Amino acid sequence: AQSVTQPDIHITVSEGASLELRCNYSYGATPYLFWYVQSPGQGLQLLLKYFSGDTLVQGIKGFEAEFKRSQSSFNLRKPSVHWSDAAEYFCAVGARTNAGKSTFGDGTTLTVKP
Amino acid sequence: NAGVTQTPKFQVLKTGQSMTLQCAQDMNHEYMSWYRQDPGMGLRLIHYSVGAGITDQGEVPNGYNVSRSTTEDFPLRLLSAAPSQTSVYFCASSYSTTNEKLFFGSGTQLSVL
Repeated sequence: AQSVTQPDIHITVSEGASLELRCNYSYGATPYLFWYVQSPGQGLQLLLKYFSGDTLVQGIKGFEAEFKRSQSSFNLRKPSVHWSDAAEYFCAVGARTNAGKSTFGDGTTLTVKP
Repeated sequence: NAGVTQTPKFQVLKTGQSMTLQCAQDMNHEYMSWYRQDPGMGLRLIHYSVGAGITDQGEVPNGYNVSRSTTEDFPLRLLSAAPSQTSVYFCASSYSTTNEKLFFGSGTQLSVL
């Protein structure tokens, strides 16, 4: 069975500091990996996705993530955090043939200090 | 372009009542799904549909029914609400039946007393 672990429930960083959110997955084949962001009271919005190819993927809002097969990880990074990045972030893993049956992690809440 | 529209945004029910959460998308997406989001538990898939007339169960289907009579609409029915169904519900859609980007609605916050 597929699963996703986001080890950090809550992270606080200062505005302008760098950010890394961790994601570890368990999947029996080549995974499709996603990062979504949820602002308060809103639905989820896709930040980036990895299907194949270059293991460093760029997303919207200046985010990037690196797929490391050997570590079963797909960590999300941003070099300089803005106050508007405060939100909840979800990592998800799925299979190409199972539309939308992605498994989501429990989420990491990001707080940005001024 | 409205995207994925969910109604209502908030709902309070008494135990045993029934109701339908509405979801509509105007992007001609084949795939639609319902998730529930509970604190500290991420999103869990309730039901999904890969096209009109086709539905299937997700991870937590008990207590919920769905149907897909049109491409645009995918309502979620609670036949007899229970306090355990207090949650935030999200509808999502995707262009194709392969695992592409999901577009989410803004959610329905449901409380069952």
